[in-house]
Amino acid sequence: DSGVTQTPKHLITATGQRVTLRCSPRSGDLSVYWYQQSLDQGLQFLIQYYNGEERAKGNILERFSAQQFPDLHSELNLSSLELGDSALYFCASSAGTGGDVYGYTFGSGTRLTVV
Amino acid sequence: GENVEQHPSTLSVQEGDSAVIKCTYSDSASNYFPWYKQELGKGPQLIIDIRSNVGEKKDQRIAVTLNKTAKHFSLHITETQPEDSAVYFCAASIRKGNTPLVFGKGTRLSVIA
Repeated sequence: DSGVTQTPKHLITATGQRVTLRCSPRSGDLSVYWYQQSLDQGLQFLIQYYNGEERAKGNILERFSAQQFPDLHSELNLSSLELGDSALYFCASSAGTGGDVYGYTFGSGTRLTVV
Repeated sequence: GENVEQHPSTLSVQEGDSAVIKCTYSDSASNYFPWYKQELGKGPQLIIDIRSNVGEKKDQRIAVTLNKTAKHFSLHITETQPEDSAVYFCAASIRKGNTPLVFGKGTRLSVIA
C-alpha cells in the first residue's frame, strides 16, 4: 500500500456520461497530481493541486475538471465521455511545497472504460 | 516545455544479464531525474532518482548516470532477476520550479529465466 488511495479501481460507463474519480493523498502530502496513462502515450500530466489551489495544468481537456478539498483529497471529473477517454487515471502525491519535487507516490489507479 | 524521449520501448534480457534504458530530455533547466517501476496492475513506484549536481548514483543492483552536456540519463540494472520484469519510466522536471514531472513513454523489460 503506497498510502495514496484511489477509488474506484474500475469504472465502465457509456459515451456521453460523466464520472468522478477520487484520490486521497499520502498523509502529510499537500500536492496532488493527476496523470492519464494510455497504451501508446505513457503518462500524460493533466493537472496539479497544492493545498487546495491549482498549481499547474497540462493537456487537460475542457471536458475534464478537478479540485482539491480542505481535507486534501482530490476529485477528477470527466464529462461528455468519449471512447478515446478510456485509460488508466493515476493520482500521485508529493511531500513538496508545490515548487519542489521530491518524487511522487502514486496510487494504484482507476481504469476507466468508455463503451 | 520539457520533452522526454525513452529507448528502447521493449527490452528482453536473460536472467543474470544487465539491462540499460536510456532517456534524453530537451529542457536544459531540468535538474531532477527520477526513475519509476510499474508492475502489472499497480501504480508506478519510485526506484531511484538523480539530481543534476551528481553524475552517477547507485543503489544495490540499480544505477543511474546523468550527462548534462548531452542531456541524457540512463538506468542500469545488473544481475537481472525475473522480478525485475516490469515497465520502467524515466522522468524529468525542474526542482524549485512549478513544473510537474514529464515522463518518457516507458520501457517494458522482460527478464527471461
